[in-house]
Amino acid sequence: DAGVTQSPTHLIKTRGQQVTLRCSPKSGHDTVSWYQQALGQGPQFIFQYYEEEERQRGNFPDRFSGHQFPNYSSELNVNALLLGDSALYLCASSLGPGGPQHFGDGTRLSIL
Amino acid sequence: TQLLEQSPQFLSIQEGENLTVYCNSSSVFSSLQWYRQEPGEGPVLLVTVVTGGEVKKLKRLTFQFGDARKDSSLHITAAQPGDTGLYLCGRGGSNYKLTFGKGTLLTVNP
Repeated sequence: DAGVTQSPTHLIKTRGQQVTLRCSPKSGHDTVSWYQQALGQGPQFIFQYYEEEERQRGNFPDRFSGHQFPNYSSELNVNALLLGDSALYLCASSLGPGGPQHFGDGTRLSIL
Repeated sequence: TQLLEQSPQFLSIQEGENLTVYCNSSSVFSSLQWYRQEPGEGPVLLVTVVTGGEVKKLKRLTFQFGDARKDSSLHITAAQPGDTGLYLCGRGGSNYKLTFGKGTLLTVNP
């Protein structure tokens, strides 16, 4: 039974570029949430996707956008990258928006 | 903005010692979850508490939820090196998004 998988595991970009991160939820899960975890901090909620729609959004600018596909997988897109976007990006899946969340191991994004 | 305060921020102990870490908020939790995150990995859910005064045990870990549902504690008995990690509390809301504290970074030395 595969858990939550994220790709890539590491990524290096420069300021101003755009990036796409990918997440496949745990088998049987239909909801995906994305979090940003800066060094020394707890995860910060970015947004949640359910039934292919963004259902909830945290305090992040419009540069952060996402998508959920019919197979429940999801992408996180970040445009016009800033140095402050350097962080670990975590994806969590659940059965329904209120179910216990299972996290992937994240994508480490470094901005030069 | 972190709405949850976790203490201590760092804790380094010897194998076999007991420890308690805390999670506090000025507002009521509808539910609270404890996670452990090891280096290079995502957080792993340990327990969810929803009822004021609730106590849950997971082997050597004991989780308590305050009567007023504004605070929680995690007690570890006879800590082992495998307990090393970042312990996060996450507050569930009516809109289902989790709000996390900064975590307690625990190091258990052999």
